[in-house]
Amino acid sequence: DGGITQSPKYLFRKEGQNVTLSCEQNLNHDAMYWYRQDPGQGLRLIYYSQIVNDFQKGDIAEGYSVSREKKESFPLTVTSAQKNPTAFYLCASKGTANYGYTFGSGTRLTVV
Amino acid sequence: SQQGEEDPQALSIQEGENATMNCSYKTSINNLQWYRQNSGRGLVHLILIRSNEREKHSGRLRVTLDTSKKSSSLLITASRAADTASYFCATDSRGGYQKVTFGIGTKLQVIP
Repeated sequence: DGGITQSPKYLFRKEGQNVTLSCEQNLNHDAMYWYRQDPGQGLRLIYYSQIVNDFQKGDIAEGYSVSREKKESFPLTVTSAQKNPTAFYLCASKGTANYGYTFGSGTRLTVV
Repeated sequence: SQQGEEDPQALSIQEGENATMNCSYKTSINNLQWYRQNSGRGLVHLILIRSNEREKHSGRLRVTLDTSKKSSSLLITASRAADTASYFCATDSRGGYQKVTFGIGTKLQVIP
């Protein structure tokens, strides 16, 4: 089955700690995205990548970093500089034009 | 960035009734997409309508697009309790890649 896998499903972070959220897709999609969703809110774009070894900041990139060394993988690191990281994180990918986005099932990050 | 804005923010109906939600956007588009999100899960792509289409059907879903008003509507007919979810729209714009963002969504509750 083709799709996007996000792991872990739940993640707990201590203050001052960096954590990395995994996102892997086997859809052969070029573009990949990270969104953050807070309770009752829409999705806010953190980073996106249209091609391997290239990525751009979204609307709320501060305190986050990404890499795109392989087409299949787009990990997101939440650094200690992100002051309010507790949220639901969604990864998505997209193929050619006139197709929709495919989303992973999300990672819920909580600061303890 | 291109943003879809959904209306109403919340909608509560009885099972068997129809549910209509709306989406407005600001710039020219190639297509518009609707997604469903069950609580605590990722978004699921429902339907995509291209800018040269005015109406599209998929099962109990009917989507209309009015490019002159920059708006779209999603109609769910004969609603079921399982349709309870949040619904989001998103657009792909003309003129190359733009950052795509999602609105707050419409939270639909279908009461059995």
